[in-house]
Amino acid sequence: DAGVIQSPRHEVTEMGQEVTLRCKPISGHDYLFWYRQTMMRGLELLIYFNNNVPIDDSGMPEDRFSAKMPNASFSTLKIQPSEPRDSAVYFCASSFASGKRNEQFFGPGTRLTVL
Amino acid sequence: SQQGEEDPQALSIQEGENATMNCSYKTSINNLQWYRQNSGRGLVHLILIRSNEREKHSGRLRVTLDTSKKSSSLLITASRAADTASYFCATVASGYSTLTFGKGTMLLVSP
Repeated sequence: DAGVIQSPRHEVTEMGQEVTLRCKPISGHDYLFWYRQTMMRGLELLIYFNNNVPIDDSGMPEDRFSAKMPNASFSTLKIQPSEPRDSAVYFCASSFASGKRNEQFFGPGTRLTVL
Repeated sequence: SQQGEEDPQALSIQEGENATMNCSYKTSINNLQWYRQNSGRGLVHLILIRSNEREKHSGRLRVTLDTSKKSSSLLITASRAADTASYFCATVASGYSTLTFGKGTMLLVSP
């Protein structure tokens, strides 16, 4: 398996533009997580899905952020409109909840810069 | 918040020395996990210890868990330059499915 795949790896955009980050989880995993990492706040959980259904989106900072998982092999995180304070590295992770082991497999991340 | 807190924030050692990192948390947990993050990369799972376990080994890694003190330690023995990375502890609260990460310890191993 290729692991968790994220695209793009780097994104530079201007304030006010829409940004869409993409994630392909590991095949067979039934949990998908979106995280944001910054120096100031560390690694924050934004939202997670179980069997394509959003379970907890309490970490999504504002209504400008939205996430979807239309099928088991694809998820998107959208920011509209983007702001400079959204600049961060966004990670997608997936896991297979077997016996509550909860080991998560992370993608390489998308480094977002909003100018 | 039951966010883990790692200590120290940064650690610099020579190759061959042992590195010890500590993690404290606040609430009851199902398990505690350690992850490594190389610069510019995603996190990689290292080891998981369940709440009813006290010690676990994996290669050069040794993890201990003291639930009475709500703390854990990660020991890397005979460190190598390739161990240079940030190390994070993450907890899974009892009854939950999500990980809560600490801020991490930056380890620098010099040749």
